[in-house]
Amino acid sequence: DGGITQSPKYLFRKEGQNVTLSCEQNLNHDAMYWYRQDPGQGLRLIYYSQIVNDFQKGDIAEGYSVSREKKESFPLTVTSAQKNPTAFYLCASNSGKQETQYFGPGTRLLVL
Amino acid sequence: DAKTTQPPSMDCAEGRAANLPCNHSTISGNEYVYWYRQIHSQGPQYIIHGLKNNETNEMASLIITEDRKSSTLILPHATLRDTAVYYCIVRSRFNDYKLSFGAGTTVTVRA
Repeated sequence: DGGITQSPKYLFRKEGQNVTLSCEQNLNHDAMYWYRQDPGQGLRLIYYSQIVNDFQKGDIAEGYSVSREKKESFPLTVTSAQKNPTAFYLCASNSGKQETQYFGPGTRLLVL
Repeated sequence: DAKTTQPPSMDCAEGRAANLPCNHSTISGNEYVYWYRQIHSQGPQYIIHGLKNNETNEMASLIITEDRKSSTLILPHATLRDTAVYYCIVRSRFNDYKLSFGAGTTVTVRA
C-alpha cells in the first residue's frame, strides 16, 4: 500500500534525552512536513522540506532538528532543548507546490 | 492566509446529511478552501477542496458561495465513523508550505 508511516506510535522521553521520530513515505512525494499538535488545538508547523538535502524552519522549530538525506525519509529529532515536548507529532507529504498534503498516523511523545 | 470561522461543535443523526459551515470573509482570489477531518488520535484526513466551483467526491460535497466568503461541507449520509473534528482551511495557491489549522468543528454523529 502507498502511504506515510510514522513510528513508533508512542514514545517516551526522559529528561535531557534526545529522541528521534521516524517518518517514511512511498508516495514519491518531493515535499515533507512535520507538525505538532497539543490537546484541543490545531496543528503547528515545525519543519518542512521541499527537496532532498534541503529543509526550512516552520513556526516552532526551536528545540527540534531534521534531516532529509533520502526522498522517502524525513526524521525529526526532539532535542533536550525542547522544554515542553509532550505532544502529538504528525508528518505529512505532498508531491509539490499547490498539491494536497497527506498525513501519517502520528506519534505521541510523552515525557517521563 | 485568510482566517476561517467554524462553529465549535455540532450533532448529527446517523443516516442524515451533515452540513458543516465555514466563514472565510477575507479570502482572496488565489486561495483555495480545503477540508480535512481528524478522528481522535489519528492523523488528519483530506476530504475535499475547491476554488470557486462546487465540488463532489466519494466522501463529501463542497458548496462555495458565489462571493466565496463562506462554504459548506456536506456529508450526505453521516455514519458513526464520521464522528471527528472537521477543519476548514484557506490556502494560497502560491504559498504551499503550510496548512493553518484552527480549532475546527467537533462533529458527533448519534445513532
